[in-house]
Amino acid sequence: SQELEQSPQSLIVQEGKNLTINCTSSKTLYGLYWYKQKYGEGLIFLMMLQKGGEEKSHEKITAKLDEKKQQSSLHITASQPSHAGIYLCGADLLGSARQLTFGSGTQLTVLP
Amino acid sequence: DAGVTQSPTHLIKTRGQQVTLRCSPKSGHDTVSWYQQALGQGPQFIFQYYEEEERQRGNFPDRFSGHQFPNYSSELNVNALLLGDSALYLCASRQISTHKLNYGYTFGSGTRLTVV
Repeated sequence: SQELEQSPQSLIVQEGKNLTINCTSSKTLYGLYWYKQKYGEGLIFLMMLQKGGEEKSHEKITAKLDEKKQQSSLHITASQPSHAGIYLCGADLLGSARQLTFGSGTQLTVLP
Repeated sequence: DAGVTQSPTHLIKTRGQQVTLRCSPKSGHDTVSWYQQALGQGPQFIFQYYEEEERQRGNFPDRFSGHQFPNYSSELNVNALLLGDSALYLCASRQISTHKLNYGYTFGSGTRLTVV
C-alpha cells in the first residue's frame, strides 16, 4: 500500500460546485504540501501545512491538516474551469527535509 | 526571473541505451532533487544533490546516477534503459540555507522520456 493515499482518484464537478480532496498518511507527517499539475507539466506549489489544526487559504482553495489523523484535506469553493488539473499531496515522512513522498494524485475536471 | 529549466523537453530512446537529462536550478537555489513520475502516478524521489554531492537517495537502482556542477546545475543519467523507465522526469530546486523543511521547492516542467 502507498504511504500517502489520496482520494478520490478522479473528480468531475459542475462549475460553481464545492469539492474536497483528501490525503491520508500511514506515517508521521513532518510537513504536508499541496501541488497542482497540468497534464505532463511541472508542479505548482499551492500550500504547505506543518502544525496540527493548521489551515491555510489561497483564493478559493483551503487546506487543513489534522495531525492526529495524519490527514489533510483540500477544499475548493465555487470551482471554476481554471481549477482543473491534477492535485498532488506531498509529505516529508522522514523529517529529513530532503525528499517528498507524493500521493498518486486526484484528477479534477470542472465542467462549464 | 527564470525558474527551473530542464532539457530536453521530450526524448525517445531505445531499450538498452543511456540517457542524460539536464537541469538548471532557479536563480539563487543551490539544491537540486530529481523525481520520476510514471503516467497516472505521483512523483517518486530519485536523489538530491547539494554541494556537488548526493545527499539522499530514493529506492532506485544504480543505473540511475547524477551529478551536480559548481554552478549548481545538475544531470541525471540513466544507463541500460528499460521500458519501465518511460516517465516524466522532474527536477526541483531550492535554497537549502534558508529553508529547513521542504518549503520552497520549485519544480521544472520536466523531461518526457519514452523508451521503445
